[in-house]
Amino acid sequence: GESVGLHLPTLSVQEGDNSIINCAYSNSASDYFIWYKQESGKGPQFIIDIRSNMDKRQGQRVTVLLNKTVKHLSLQIAATQPGDSAVYFCAENMRTGGFKTIFGAGTRLFVKA
Amino acid sequence: DSGVTQTPKHLITATGQRVTLRCSPRSGDLSVYWYQQSLDQGLQFLIQYYNGEERAKGNILERFSAQQFPDLHSELNLSSLELGDSALYFCASSVVGEGSPLHFGNGTRLTVT
Repeated sequence: GESVGLHLPTLSVQEGDNSIINCAYSNSASDYFIWYKQESGKGPQFIIDIRSNMDKRQGQRVTVLLNKTVKHLSLQIAATQPGDSAVYFCAENMRTGGFKTIFGAGTRLFVKA
Repeated sequence: DSGVTQTPKHLITATGQRVTLRCSPRSGDLSVYWYQQSLDQGLQFLIQYYNGEERAKGNILERFSAQQFPDLHSELNLSSLELGDSALYFCASSVVGEGSPLHFGNGTRLTVT
């Protein structure tokens, strides 16, 4: 079926620590993956993306890892800050019945000062 | 600011009524997407348009319809509203219809009483 799921619904980390948010996807034909951040009262905001011909991509303080063998995606946030507190969604570009961007359930990240 | 504009921000209406939600995509973006986000739920894909034509369909009810106009703005029409239709409705846009990140507006909060 069409599903992108998350292993942990909530994650609490200490300010300054690294955060890792995990995601499993189900469609092996998907070739593009995206992480979004959603703050309260706002729409999801693009963080970083990765195509299926890569296994790692780095941005500013964020890294996305893609393991196609086990259909797993992760987002690593270095030196987590209070402003990182939000809900994080992984999304998958699925090639079924047209191109659909399907979102996972989301993980809420709490950063303790 | 993502550049995607949604109006209205809030909408309160009664069961059985019909409403229209409006979206203006980012300048230059040809593709528009509609998503529904209910309380404690993820983002459910409804429908996608590319340059005026329907590109992909998700779990959109028959009571709901959408269109994208020649100037690329889009409208989502919700009719015969039910209490369960209360949700946040997000519009997103992207440059192309696949393989590029979505940029979201801040949503329309619909409350059906």
